[in-house]
Amino acid sequence: DSGVTQTPKHLITATGQRVTLRCSPRSGDLSVYWYQQSLDQGLQFLIQYYNGEERAKGNILERFSAQQFPDLHSELNLSSLELGDSALYFCASSTGAGNTIYFGEGSWLTVV
Amino acid sequence: AQRVTQPEKLLSVFKGAPVELKCNYSYSGSPELFWYVQYSRQRLQLLLRHISRESIKGFTADLNKGETSFHLKKPFAQEEDSAMYYCALSGGFKTIFGAGTRLFVKA
Repeated sequence: DSGVTQTPKHLITATGQRVTLRCSPRSGDLSVYWYQQSLDQGLQFLIQYYNGEERAKGNILERFSAQQFPDLHSELNLSSLELGDSALYFCASSTGAGNTIYFGEGSWLTVV
Repeated sequence: AQRVTQPEKLLSVFKGAPVELKCNYSYSGSPELFWYVQYSRQRLQLLLRHISRESIKGFTADLNKGETSFHLKKPFAQEEDSAMYYCALSGGFKTIFGAGTRLFVKA
């Protein structure tokens, strides 16, 4: 158990809908990362927060947004969902830049 | 720009054979490099990082700054090594991953 908790584990929703994925980082970790894993694109970095502030952005679509709250948990919001958004979304945390990243089990999103 | 390249999507070897998973990177500064592993139905987890210079489960990786490579090696592959392996680079605030190499160790 890495200590990173993600909910929900599985989610099925229709195209055009909006979902929120939730992540609780390891105790003491200030950095939260979001990644998207799909069969054809591997592990894609979406966004990183450090102590509530956005620090780095990757290949995150405009339809997606994230935030990190004062208690350090984070949410990834996916809107206007398309079939191609179906993927495994990982949250990860670390104490800071350059340190080992600890992953959650992921949230499986299926858009139908 | 930061980039991590793992040229092989799939690597298949026989048990007891040596294995090398390739990783090349592009980064203008001094990166932190990692190998992560994802066993079937498990979360990604750290296998090793270059600054530790340690051997984990018989795997080692050497950072070659001249060739900008960080290949993962094991002299004798075991069936339980079958998994997805990701090379990762941490620079600035980002940590990016390569596309991954699936290692399949045949009996």
